[in-house]
Amino acid sequence: AQTVTQSQPEMSVQEAETVTLSCTYDTSESDYYLFWYKQPPSRQMILVIRQEAYKQQNATENRFSVNFQKAAKSFSLKISDSQLGDAAMYFCAYRSTYNAGNNRKLIWGLGTSLAVNP
Amino acid sequence: ETGVTQTPRHLVMGMTNKKSLKCEQHLGHNAMYWYKQSAKKPLELMFVYNFKEQTENNSVPSRFSPECPNSSHLFLHLHTLQPEDSALYLCASSPTGTGGAGYGYTFGSGTRLTVV
Repeated sequence: AQTVTQSQPEMSVQEAETVTLSCTYDTSESDYYLFWYKQPPSRQMILVIRQEAYKQQNATENRFSVNFQKAAKSFSLKISDSQLGDAAMYFCAYRSTYNAGNNRKLIWGLGTSLAVNP
Repeated sequence: ETGVTQTPRHLVMGMTNKKSLKCEQHLGHNAMYWYKQSAKKPLELMFVYNFKEQTENNSVPSRFSPECPNSSHLFLHLHTLQPEDSALYLCASSPTGTGGAGYGYTFGSGTRLTVV
């Protein structure tokens, strides 16, 4: 079974600085998707960025980028020029591409709480 | 507004009450999900519906009863809950079919449930 591990329960960053959140996962599959979700105090779980496993190029969305290391099964999120609005819980998630039963559901990490200091 | 609407946002209920949570999406998604989110615990997937058919029930107590009348609406009927059922209940939806896995889920804002 697949697992997702976020080893940093809490992190903090100064406004305008860069922070990297870690995520590792375990799978025997070769094709899958990885996601980072953000959950601010408003509770809305928002998709930040996604990465398809067979694409070598790291995904980027504005100030958010990932460092995807497939062999190491690592999928870290880098937030550049951190803003106060980036303060939130960040969840890493895995989803298989195989279309069979439970394989399509998201597997979640425990989350990392990010504080942004002014 | 993300396309998935949950009502109510907050709910306080006694252990003998019966209430329902509602989730609605008009994104054209065919899969819908109920999650329970408690402090310091992983997200717990409760139920999965594909094309309004229940495809997963993760050993959820019978005091939680889901209903999916169509692909756009999902309900969670609650009765005789316990204080430990207090949590944030999140609804999500996603597309199915080839390529659907890459879209992830779209979530509602959740219902904060307090059982007294």
